[in-house]
Amino acid sequence: AQTVTQSQPEMSVQEAETVTLSCTYDTSESDYYLFWYKQPPSRQMILVIRQEAYKQQNATENRFSVNFQKAAKSFSLKISDSQLGDAAMYFCAYRAEYGNKLVFGAGTILRVKS
Amino acid sequence: EPEVTQTPSHQVTQMGQEVILRCVPISNHLYFYWYRQILGQKVEFLVSFYNNEISEKSEIFDDQFSVERPDGSNFTLKIRSTKLEDSAMYFCASTTELAGGYEQYFGPGTRLTVT
Repeated sequence: AQTVTQSQPEMSVQEAETVTLSCTYDTSESDYYLFWYKQPPSRQMILVIRQEAYKQQNATENRFSVNFQKAAKSFSLKISDSQLGDAAMYFCAYRAEYGNKLVFGAGTILRVKS
Repeated sequence: EPEVTQTPSHQVTQMGQEVILRCVPISNHLYFYWYRQILGQKVEFLVSFYNNEISEKSEIFDDQFSVERPDGSNFTLKIRSTKLEDSAMYFCASTTELAGGYEQYFGPGTRLTVT
């Protein structure tokens, strides 16, 4: 079974600084998708960024980028120029190519200090 | 922008009572999901639904749970006899395709409190 591990329960960053959230996963599949979801205090799940495993190029979305290392099964999220609105729980998630479900990590609470 | 909606936002019920959580997925989506998040814990998959039948379910989704798409728009999760440990946030999600990195769009969640 696929598993997703987020080893940082909590991280802090100063406003305007850069922070990296870690995620590792375990799978025997070769094709899959990886996602980062943001969950603010409202608890709504919001997609931040996605990565296709067959793509070598790391995905970027404005201030958010990933470092995808397929061989190491690592998928970290980098947030540049952190803003107060980035404060939230961040979940890393995996889905197989034709899979139904998302498999989530335990989450990392990100605190942004002004 | 289309969105997934869920009602109610908060449901309080007594142990042993039946509850129905309601979701309206995005209209052209074909795959529907329920996830659960116990407070402070990870989001866990419960069940997926496609073409009017369950396509996958987790070990959490036992005989106390059922899902239904009673009409062309609603997707419901029923818990027959609630337990204290069913207290959680329940998220509905939907998507258009399985192939490709299609996003699962999540609703705002229903907070279920069992007393």
